[in-house]
Amino acid sequence: GAVVSQHPSWVICKSGTSVKIECRSLDFQATTMFWYRQFPKQSLMLMATSNEGSKATYEQGVEKDKFLINHASLTLSTLTVTSAHPEDSSFYICSARRQGETNEQFFGPGTRLTVL
Amino acid sequence: AQSVAQPEDQVNVAEGNPLTVKCTYSVSGNPYLFWYVQYPNRGLQFLLKYITGDNLVKGSYGFEAEFNKSQTSFHLKKPSALVSDSALYFCAVRGAYSGNTPLVFGKGTRLSVIA
Repeated sequence: GAVVSQHPSWVICKSGTSVKIECRSLDFQATTMFWYRQFPKQSLMLMATSNEGSKATYEQGVEKDKFLINHASLTLSTLTVTSAHPEDSSFYICSARRQGETNEQFFGPGTRLTVL
Repeated sequence: AQSVAQPEDQVNVAEGNPLTVKCTYSVSGNPYLFWYVQYPNRGLQFLLKYITGDNLVKGSYGFEAEFNKSQTSFHLKKPSALVSDSALYFCAVRGAYSGNTPLVFGKGTRLSVIA
């Protein structure tokens, strides 16, 4: 149990276009999901916390109008990179929190975004 | 605030030798501690966690880690390294009573096992 999927696994787009990444908890409900970003050979940096039915909470320095997060159901959160530019190229990883004694986080396989 | 330190960017070890990847943490109250491994162009794979109980935690692929509260450490160990263990390793922490706070990751340690 506790499987998190992401789609797509990789995407290449032109500069100026928007890209949507989906994160799904397949066998549990997640009221909270997290979006991380990872640059090459670097650690995971938290971008935002996504709460079902409410607005996401963004970390300092993350543009909320550029990285739109929607958590419309207990099993789905989406991250839309709007007007993407080459500097947005990165590895995006989502994580879903399973409610319970330890509220453990489970991670998706990641999405590689390349903006040309 | 929560934080994790992985003091080594790179660890090199010969195949068959024991390996240690270091991790120290800072958190208010009791910690939940995790180790993940990442292979190139792949997501995170869970290795092991400490929530409560025995300080020595055994995980996947023969890895283990020891929680040391006095030294605020959670070093990852394996008795005999394999070339296939070569990857990027991340330590992560959150406070046991930190509510909705997400995991905080260390910067990662690249392990290279040489045949």
